[in-house]
Amino acid sequence: GESVGLHLPTLSVQEGDNSIINCAYSNSASDYFIWYKQESGKGPQFIIDIRSNMDKRQGQRVTVLLNKTVKHLSLQIAATQPGDSAVYFCAEKGWDTGNQFYFGTGTSLTVIP
Amino acid sequence: KAGVTQTPRYLIKTRGQQVTLSCSPISGHRSVSWYQQTPGQGLQFLFEYFSETQRNKGNFPGRFSGRQFSNSRSEMNVSTLELGDSALYLCASSPSGRASTDTQYFGPGTRLTVL
Repeated sequence: GESVGLHLPTLSVQEGDNSIINCAYSNSASDYFIWYKQESGKGPQFIIDIRSNMDKRQGQRVTVLLNKTVKHLSLQIAATQPGDSAVYFCAEKGWDTGNQFYFGTGTSLTVIP
Repeated sequence: KAGVTQTPRYLIKTRGQQVTLSCSPISGHRSVSWYQQTPGQGLQFLFEYFSETQRNKGNFPGRFSGRQFSNSRSEMNVSTLELGDSALYLCASSPSGRASTDTQYFGPGTRLTVL
């Protein structure tokens, strides 16, 4: 029969604009979160992380926001560049899951030159 | 520091065969986790090894197994390959996995194709 693949959310932005990628999680015990970037044919690359005792963390051109009340995580990329085109995953683990991370389905970001 | 390395990068096998994949973690990292990534299921956790012991296991059949050596290098084995085993197999290492904020760093993956 026909196989159904994951429906990846997609986001297209113009070069130079800001991008916002969202992620929802369900485990109330989640206390550590990571955003990964995966380019075609490569493994996921660490971008930025945040602990549950923080609401916001900034890196180079990236900011992660954590809203524990609604269990929502977002990744903001400033001045998006063509090299930012990739699939972005959020990952979370909780104090009750040992070292096992749970991954979102990913968002495919396309930057239009 | 060198990153996580995985060998081989690509493999083609036929149904019924078995395969062994290798992962060398970042120097000093003692925890190695394996994931299967497919378009249909996304990233799925296979198992984690720490100090040569399997510490955590995902929901995969017994055909999937692994081990870790004293130098923290890890191998995973898939026996009696099925077409559905075609996937990108990713290895991730972390310092110990004991700290709640231990980050996992991924290797480039091994692309397995089962014909």
